[in-house]
Amino acid sequence: GAVVSQHPSRVICKSGTSVKIECRSLDFQATTMFWYRQFPKKSLMLMATSNEGSKATYEQGVEKDKFLINHASLTLSTLTVTSAHPEDSSFYICSASLPQYNEQFFGPGTRLTVL
Amino acid sequence: SQQGEEDPQALSIQEGENATMNCSYKTSINNLQWYRQNSGRGLVHLILIRSNEREKHSGRLRVTLDTSKKSSSLLITASRAADTASYFCATDAEGYQKVTFGTGTKLQVIP
Repeated sequence: GAVVSQHPSRVICKSGTSVKIECRSLDFQATTMFWYRQFPKKSLMLMATSNEGSKATYEQGVEKDKFLINHASLTLSTLTVTSAHPEDSSFYICSASLPQYNEQFFGPGTRLTVL
Repeated sequence: SQQGEEDPQALSIQEGENATMNCSYKTSINNLQWYRQNSGRGLVHLILIRSNEREKHSGRLRVTLDTSKKSSSLLITASRAADTASYFCATDAEGYQKVTFGTGTKLQVIP
């Protein structure tokens, strides 16, 4: 199946710093990628839909200035957590869709810990 | 919200037994999918069932869908310790590209 990678897999940062997470589709082009957030022992919550070449669409309650999304190419979307705070600590997962398979392929996730 | 609910929240069974997880959702859907997540890891797609399908099989997995009740079930037969994971259903009411996840069932299979 299609492969989606994320980098880094784990990141620990100090409060107030910004962290960038990359999501790459390795063997296919993805016009649309999705960013999810998962709190411990909870389900995945969609944060935003990332469209190549256009602005991301954010879900209600997600601060677009806090979580900057850039989808500059058909294989790369980035999520930048700006001015991170401990409450931003979470597991962030991206996915990319393959329309012809009617399926999303998920990355392995990035564990963010803000001290 | 569209988010589905799954029950049970947690399930513990002996190896070899069958495990059944249920998912309910709120609005009409195009497709329903089941995913598996090992602790702290990404998601693995298990199976997709379309709204016009009632049952689907894949290996030891059997998925049913009842659109009149807005519910689905995932059956894992002859469970193995390696099946220990969290299982999520996901629906795409707004088109295939945007999915909403259920609350998940944490399955523990005891060797």
